[in-house]
Amino acid sequence: NAGVTQTPKFQVLKTGQSMTLQCAQDMNHNSMYWYRQDPGMGLRLIYYSASEGTTDKGEVPNGYNVSRLNKREFSLRLESAAPSQTSVYFCAILAGVLTGELFFGEGSRLTVL
Amino acid sequence: AQRVTQPEKLLSVFKGAPVELKCNYSYSGSPELFWYVQYSRQRLQLLLRHISRESIKGFTADLNKGETSFHLKKPFAQEEDSAMYYCALSGYNQGGKLIFGQGTELSVKP
Repeated sequence: NAGVTQTPKFQVLKTGQSMTLQCAQDMNHNSMYWYRQDPGMGLRLIYYSASEGTTDKGEVPNGYNVSRLNKREFSLRLESAAPSQTSVYFCAILAGVLTGELFFGEGSRLTVL
Repeated sequence: AQRVTQPEKLLSVFKGAPVELKCNYSYSGSPELFWYVQYSRQRLQLLLRHISRESIKGFTADLNKGETSFHLKKPFAQEEDSAMYYCALSGYNQGGKLIFGQGTELSVKP
């Protein structure tokens, strides 16, 4: 029972290439989130999805697209990767609606050359 | 503007010494404050919420609305406390849309 599973864990891209980060949960929660983690900047929200079929922009959405096709999965796509998108990406679910607790995946480390 | 500031990038203490990780915030309403921790090679996880007013692993944090602070404290640091700590803020009914601080790396030396 992994809770939140992200794939791939590591990826190296060249500038201009595209790729999709996958996130799947087995905890049956509605809200899912994509954050990026950069040194000295903490975590910043890219996109989120309050429920199946809905998505909204977070603080830093430029250069990304997301898709929430079903309750379990929330994917993050980079259409044309840029070196500024080198980061560690975290998917999270809202595990406690009343507590506001986020449950995170293990992260995906992306390097764009 | 909504903001969370952790002024220390790195905090290094000896085992048994007291620890205080600072967190200041800027928010116009009534925020919910959290501390998240990331141990080496583990996922980011919730440590404390201000609402619950609990002590986890010996850590406590008190919300000071006058000083807009939510400092994390532990009277006697242990080596296993070494980790990256993030302070985070959420607005009312904002769910998992957290605003994180820059993070403080705590290193506890033997």
